[in-house]
Amino acid sequence: QIQLVQSGPELKKPGESVKISCKASGYTFTDYAMHWVKQAPGKGLKWMGWINTYTGKPTYADDFKGRFVFSLEASASTANLQISNLKNEDTATYFCARSGLRDWGQGVMVTVSS
Amino acid sequence: DIQMTQSPSSLPASLGDRVTITCRASQDIGNYLRWFQQKPGKSPRLMIYGATNLANGVPSRFSGSRSGSDYSLTINSLESEDMAIYYCLQHNEYPNTFGAGTKLELK
Repeated sequence: QIQLVQSGPELKKPGESVKISCKASGYTFTDYAMHWVKQAPGKGLKWMGWINTYTGKPTYADDFKGRFVFSLEASASTANLQISNLKNEDTATYFCARSGLRDWGQGVMVTVSS
Repeated sequence: DIQMTQSPSSLPASLGDRVTITCRASQDIGNYLRWFQQKPGKSPRLMIYGATNLANGVPSRFSGSRSGSDYSLTINSLESEDMAIYYCLQHNEYPNTFGAGTKLELK
């Protein structure tokens, strides 16, 4: 069955970086794009962008241009999200979701606090 | 960016009720509209795609419809397991945009 398994929770200080992963199984990784969605505590869902898992080309929503990087380790069927220069407002759960958004990872809670 | 105006933000209802949640798109999105259900501490679950199509495994009491730029999710005969937050999402163009969510709760 299709599974997206994300890495564990992260506690970081402002200014630090974090890299979270999303490992896919149960399908051909490069056949489906991967989307990323942010959910701040108690807030709604926000679409961050997506990455073409065949070409590696990322597309970012405007609010996620600059400090956010989508990348792949295609040989490991893994998509990554790296956030640099972390800010308090980056505190959120980050979800990966396969194209079509039928299949989601379990989410990664990133907490940014001094 | 396309704005998705979702209403109501909160919907108290009783078991067995029929409820409707609506999203209005600020621009034409065709039928590129999905509905998601999210329970506390869980990932979103796709309920409806293509505005009117039931996703796999979703009970038939859920349905989606469209009237112009208004898209609706209707739940017939509400059950306790339906208590959750529901979001619409337009994916006609980038950036994809979610509605603000509707919290469905027991009256």
